[in-house]
Amino acid sequence: DAGVTQSPTHLIKTRGQHVTLRCSPISGHKSVSWYQQVLGQGPQFIFQYYEKEERGRGNFPDRFSARQFPNYSSELNVNALLLGDSALYLCASTWGLENTEAFFGQGTRLTVV
Amino acid sequence: DQQVKQNSPSLSVQEGRISILNCDYTNSMFDYFLWYKKYPAEGPTFLISISSIKDKNEDGRFTVFLNKSAKHLSLHIVPSQPGDSAVYFCAASDLYGQNFVFGPGTRLSVLP
Repeated sequence: DAGVTQSPTHLIKTRGQHVTLRCSPISGHKSVSWYQQVLGQGPQFIFQYYEKEERGRGNFPDRFSARQFPNYSSELNVNALLLGDSALYLCASTWGLENTEAFFGQGTRLTVV
Repeated sequence: DQQVKQNSPSLSVQEGRISILNCDYTNSMFDYFLWYKKYPAEGPTFLISISSIKDKNEDGRFTVFLNKSAKHLSLHIVPSQPGDSAVYFCAASDLYGQNFVFGPGTRLSVLP
């Protein structure tokens, strides 16, 4: 049974560009959350989606947006990339809305140059 | 202002001995706590959790202790093995909240 899968695994973008990161949750899981992990820090919450609706948003600018599709997969979009957006972006899935243990993907390493 | 703190950035332990990783939190609304382990180039892996109605939860070599009055939890690994070498993150949530709040992590090195 596949775990949480994220694509791509690595990405290099230029300042000002746009990026789309993708996540497929564990089969049967309906909630997807996105986290940003900067080197030396713990993951920071960006968004949670459940049943295709945004259920939570962290302290990130409007350049960050996300959506969830009918098959529960999700995309994270970041516009007007800044150097400081360079980070590991993690996707986590849970069965429901409650925060029981979440299962993480391997992450997408984004480098902005 | 960090709501979840892991004040030891790193910890070295001899194989076979006990590893104790500590975590402190400030938000009294947190009532569910988790530990994750992270290897390089992998996502965090869930280890063990504890809800605020308990003060101890055990799973094999891993035990988590919660002291609500002190807003402190700890992860004990006994016996420590070289494969336990990783970064350990403490995370907290209220059970019906939208997100986990993670600490900055503690890098554990288990020496053979």
